[in-house]
Amino acid sequence: AQRVTQPEKLLSVFKGAPVELKCNYSYSGSPELFWYVQYSRQRLQLLLRHISRESIKGFTADLNKGETSFHLKKPFAQEEDSAMYYCALSGLYGDTGRRALTFGSGTRLQVQP
Amino acid sequence: DTGVSQNPRHKITKRGQNVTFRCDPISEHNRLYWYRQTLGQGPEFLTYFQNEAQLEKSRLLSDRFSAERPKGSFSTLEIQRTEQGDSAMYLCASSLTRGGTGELFFGEGSRLTVL
Repeated sequence: AQRVTQPEKLLSVFKGAPVELKCNYSYSGSPELFWYVQYSRQRLQLLLRHISRESIKGFTADLNKGETSFHLKKPFAQEEDSAMYYCALSGLYGDTGRRALTFGSGTRLQVQP
Repeated sequence: DTGVSQNPRHKITKRGQNVTFRCDPISEHNRLYWYRQTLGQGPEFLTYFQNEAQLEKSRLLSDRFSAERPKGSFSTLEIQRTEQGDSAMYLCASSLTRGGTGELFFGEGSRLTVL
């Protein structure tokens, strides 16, 4: 089974403060991890994926297999970062395929001025 | 292309009635997914198609739920004999995937309210 846990429902920070949105997963195989974001009145959309090892909008996330975590970080939060953030995992399906994404329950990030 | 399109956007029905939702994916996307989301929760996987084949179904998908993607293009999700617990946002997503997990493009969702 694959499971994603986001322990914080709400994270409130001031503009310019560092942000860390926590994500822990449970999966015995080799996972693919993602962060999706939903801004107010917009669709859910991909923010970043671990295999790309890229920084998007200043956000980064490192897969830590030892701690089974994929925390999302940004050194200096901006007001436009306020949104709902979902961590998601895809496990293996057969030998080479991937299962559909399993999402966490989400963390709402509020960046105050 | 305007992205993934879902309709109706809102549906209010009485308990016991059947409802059907339609999803039009981004053209040429080979995978189509259905998720359900309730208040305070993340999207919960229901089922997905690769072209017209239904490859995976969640245990959440009871006998009352059926999904089709007859020609590998649009998809329908039907809920028979609706129950109040079926009230949720039903999300459709599509992706162009060759082996790995491609980026999912979500629709705006169809909100179901069962009275």
